[in-house]
Amino acid sequence: DGGITQSPKYLFRKEGQNVTLSCEQNLNHDAMYWYRQDPGQGLRLIYYSQIVNDFQKGDIAEGYSVSREKKESFPLTVTSAQKNPTAFYLCASSMGLRAGGLTNEQFFGPGTRLTVL
Amino acid sequence: QKEVEQNSGPLSVPEGAIASLNCTYSDRVSQSFFWYRQYSGKSPELIMSIYSNGDKEDGRFTAQLNKASQYVSLLIRDSQPSDSATYLCAPRDTGRRALTFGSGTRLQVQP
Repeated sequence: DGGITQSPKYLFRKEGQNVTLSCEQNLNHDAMYWYRQDPGQGLRLIYYSQIVNDFQKGDIAEGYSVSREKKESFPLTVTSAQKNPTAFYLCASSMGLRAGGLTNEQFFGPGTRLTVL
Repeated sequence: QKEVEQNSGPLSVPEGAIASLNCTYSDRVSQSFFWYRQYSGKSPELIMSIYSNGDKEDGRFTAQLNKASQYVSLLIRDSQPSDSATYLCAPRDTGRRALTFGSGTRLQVQP
């Protein structure tokens, strides 16, 4: 089955810990994204990557880090510098630049719920 | 920062009625627009995309786009209780090639 997987589904972090959220896709998509969603709010862009070995900060990158060493994988690390990390984290992917100038349909993984204890 | 405005709702409609969801956006050069449906506790699911002014129909869903007014809408005909969800509007940010999401409109379809 083609799709986007995220793990774990639920994650609990103690104060001062770094944690890494996994995102893998087998859709052969070039672009991958990380969003954060707080209760009753929309999605806010944390980081995005249009191609392997390249990524850009989104609107709320402080306290987060990413890597894009493989096309299929885009892990997100929530560092201790992120003061309020409790949220629903969503990874998405799209064809990216190969899709041409207009289209950018993004497809989402099932998400990871992170709670700070 | 580019903005996307949606009425948070809840928008309550009876079963079988037409639900109308609206969205305005600030990025004048956006060319692509997407509607996502998100059930409570789940991730967003793409339901419609539209790129040209006018209407685009797909089953019970119709997306409408007016770039001059910076307005995009989603109509759901013959609304069903299973349509009860939050609907997110997402124009494409042409500068970043990423989507900017509104906070969503919560739709409740009453049986």
